[in-house]
Amino acid sequence: KNEVEQSPQNLTAQEGEFITINCSYSVGISALHWLQQHPGGGIVSLFMLSSGKKKHGRLIATINIQEKHSSLHITASHPRDSAVYICAVRSSLNTDKLIFGTGTRLQVFP
Amino acid sequence: NAGVTQTPKFQVLKTGQSMTLQCAQDMNHNSMYWYRQDPGMGLRLIYYSASEGTTDKGEVPNGYNVSRLNKREFSLRLESAAPSQTSVYFCASILDRGSSYNEQFFGPGTRLTVL
Repeated sequence: KNEVEQSPQNLTAQEGEFITINCSYSVGISALHWLQQHPGGGIVSLFMLSSGKKKHGRLIATINIQEKHSSLHITASHPRDSAVYICAVRSSLNTDKLIFGTGTRLQVFP
Repeated sequence: NAGVTQTPKFQVLKTGQSMTLQCAQDMNHNSMYWYRQDPGMGLRLIYYSASEGTTDKGEVPNGYNVSRLNKREFSLRLESAAPSQTSVYFCASILDRGSSYNEQFFGPGTRLTVL
C-alpha cells in the first residue's frame, strides 16, 4: 500500500462545477504539498499546508492532521484547470524527502 | 529569477550510450533533487543533495550517478542507458530541507527515451 493515496485517479467535470480531490496518507508528516502538472509541462507548487486551510483564488486546500487527510477543492472549474494534481507529504521522521501520490488527472470540459 | 532550469528538454539515446542531464537553480537553495516520473507511478527520488558537497541515494539510484558541482548545479549521469530508464526526469530544489515551511521548486523536466 502506498504511503500517499489519492482519489479519484481520474476526474472529468463540466465547466463551472465544484471539484474535490482527496489525499490520504499513512505517515506522520511535517507538511503536505499540493502540486499541479499540465500535460507535457512542468510541476508547480499550489499549496503547502501543515494545518487548517489555505485559499488561493478558486483553489482551496484543507488538511485534517488527526484523520491524515487533505482535500483540494476547485470552485467554478474552468478548462484551463485541466491538469494532473499531485499530493506529496514530507515525513516528520525524514524531512529530507517528499513522498508523492500518483496524481489525479482532471479534465474540465466547456 | 529563472528558477530551476534543466537541459536538455528532450533526448533519445540508444541502449548503452551515456549522457548527463544538467540542472541549475538561481534561488540560492541548499538542497537539490533528481526525480523520475513514470506512467501510473508517483515521482520517485533518484538522488538528492542536501547541501553543496554531499549527495545521497534515493529510492531508485541504480544506473545513475550525480554530481553537485557547486551550490547552483546538480547533474545526473546515465553511464550506460537502458530502456528501463525511459522516463521524464525532474530536477527540484528547496531552500532548507529541514524546514516544513519551504516550498519545493521543480524544473521543466527532461523527456528521455532509450531505444
